[in-house]
Amino acid sequence: GAGVSQSPSNKVTEKGKDVELRCDPISGHTALYWYRQSLGQGLEFLIYFQGNSAPDKSGLPSDRFSAERTGGSVSTLTIQRTQQEDSAVYLCASSFTDSTNTQYFGPGTRLTVL
Amino acid sequence: GNSVTQMEGPVTLSEEAFLTINCTYTATGYPSLFWYVQYPGEGLQLLLKATKADDKGSNKGFEATYRKETTSFHLEKGSVQVSDSAVYFCALSSLSGSARQLTFGSGTQLTVLP
Repeated sequence: GAGVSQSPSNKVTEKGKDVELRCDPISGHTALYWYRQSLGQGLEFLIYFQGNSAPDKSGLPSDRFSAERTGGSVSTLTIQRTQQEDSAVYLCASSFTDSTNTQYFGPGTRLTVL
Repeated sequence: GNSVTQMEGPVTLSEEAFLTINCTYTATGYPSLFWYVQYPGEGLQLLLKATKADDKGSNKGFEATYRKETTSFHLEKGSVQVSDSAVYFCALSSLSGSARQLTFGSGTQLTVLP
């Protein structure tokens, strides 16, 4: 079956611009996660959606970052007024809500802020 | 909080050599444990998992055993191939409370030479 998909695969933007990154989770998965992978920081958790519950935003690095999940499926991560330190690969994962919490990842979006 | 300590890389082996990548963790309760693999230019792929003590996860010749007494989940393969060259990440997911995000180790770069 189809895996997690993300778009765009690459995004180059200028400092100060806003960007939107999209994630389509595996059909039927109730949980959706965003992570960031950068050279200096490794893999960092950003935000977690579980069904209709309020998202866990505890990993967002600043108020320039926000995310929403519409209809319990597709999610959009928005970064406002991008900075060079936002350059990273943004990874989305999804899972069932079960006792294993096995997460499956998309291919990622590589964001470059010039 | 949760943490994962992973053997520093890079690791370079000859084809058919034995591989061990050490991973230890700190977590409350009984987390699920995972190994993910990232091939060049790709996203994270689930390699194997174990969800309770003494479980052995295995896939593609790789194995890891959930050792609660030593809080470890070391990755092993008896005979590596050139195609195993990738970055390997150990991760855990605590299933208590609302914090279900993955906590990752720093990753171990493996290069297998022919």
